[in-house]
Amino acid sequence: QSALTQPASVSGSPGQSITISCTGTSSDVGNYNLVSWYQQHPGKAPKLMIYEVNKRPSGVPDRFSGSKSGNTASLTVSGLQAEDEADYYCSSYAGSNNPPWVFGGGTKLTVL
Amino acid sequence: EVQLVESGGGLVQPGGSLRLSCIVSGFTFSSYWMSWVRQAPGKGLEWVANIKPDGSAKYYVDSVKGRFTISRDNAKNSLYLQMNSLRAEDTAVYYCAQHSGSYNYWGQGTLVTVSS
Repeated sequence: QSALTQPASVSGSPGQSITISCTGTSSDVGNYNLVSWYQQHPGKAPKLMIYEVNKRPSGVPDRFSGSKSGNTASLTVSGLQAEDEADYYCSSYAGSNNPPWVFGGGTKLTVL
Repeated sequence: EVQLVESGGGLVQPGGSLRLSCIVSGFTFSSYWMSWVRQAPGKGLEWVANIKPDGSAKYYVDSVKGRFTISRDNAKNSLYLQMNSLRAEDTAVYYCAQHSGSYNYWGQGTLVTVSS
């Protein structure tokens, strides 16, 4: 069982927007702005999409955005494109807990 | 261009050992925390261990404490994971990653299969 809770799957049509939630606790997501999001295509390594809740690394389209409210972080993908179909994972720092770095269970995004 | 290249995976019997390596280029290796993250077949990501830039601090997930050892050689731009007393549940793709609050860059992964 993953420390952070994500929906198993979400879907949307090209051009639409979707949001993936990532629910933790006051010991991880709620207490630190060290939430990050990763995209993983089948058979490939994960790729950083969002760091520190809402910052985008260079090269990541601005269609991807992140936010946080309380113990829940969210990843929004606007203007869905076929290449966005992938698994998405959130991660957070959890301080003195073990493990100190936790992931969500992953969400499969399907572009219809 | 940042590159992380893992090696050392393979098939090993329960109770056996493996040493994973990760050679890094494209950034100043000695300035960054580094992590090992694994992914069991069909499952999600799991942080395994990380190490401070100078190697003076190391942290592990409880399930591998006492069995796995993370280390680094900054002169060789290399990260290692010594895995002993391997169990079936350690079967996974193991990724090395540059870590500074987020996993910024990842290797392609190396598959470790623990089976008799």
